[in-house]
Amino acid sequence: SQKIEQNSEALNIQEGKTATLTCNYTNYSPAYLQWYRQDPGRGPVFLLLIRENEKEKRKERLKVTFDTTLKQSLFHITASQPADSATYLCALVGSGTYKYIFGTGTRLKVLA
Amino acid sequence: KAGVTQTPRYLIKTRGQQVTLSCSPISGHRSVSWYQQTPGQGLQFLFEYFSETQRNKGNFPGRFSGRQFSNSRSEMNVSTLELGDSALYLCASSPLTSGMDIQYFGAGTRLSVL
Repeated sequence: SQKIEQNSEALNIQEGKTATLTCNYTNYSPAYLQWYRQDPGRGPVFLLLIRENEKEKRKERLKVTFDTTLKQSLFHITASQPADSATYLCALVGSGTYKYIFGTGTRLKVLA
Repeated sequence: KAGVTQTPRYLIKTRGQQVTLSCSPISGHRSVSWYQQTPGQGLQFLFEYFSETQRNKGNFPGRFSGRQFSNSRSEMNVSTLELGDSALYLCASSPLTSGMDIQYFGAGTRLSVL
């Protein structure tokens, strides 16, 4: 069955460093991959989308890579800040479907 | 534009009861999806509606059902509640019909089953 794995343990990093979060998937060929941020008590908020034929996407301090051979996406936050502390979710969408498969999320804590 | 609105925000029920949750999408959005979020399982897809039709369904028992009205507002119903149904239920709306769509989430309804 389709499976998405994200770092299940929390990731603690020092302010100013680059945070790297991983999303691995199996038994799936997504057309798109999205990253969302979720704060406690709130719904997820969209951050970035990358298509299957794209290798990398950037937006301000955020960067996403997508390797369909490794079946992996990496999400980077450069010059991290305490305000970046949240849970980050990746979501896969298949071609021609409207069904989003989410990972369990990685909790990031940026220490001041 | 107003965001996605979910009501109620919190709900406490007992086993065996049924519950109805409501979701008002962003104006103009015709697609509404529902998710169940628990600490162990993460965000799990329940179903998606577009123009009052269910287009996709997740792997949940028939106790979970939903519907969408002509104004795109959606409701989901859970009958014969079980303790394991305690979760955060999230609704998300999307503007277009492509899988590239961004999902805009509401704040969720926290359901506790006692």
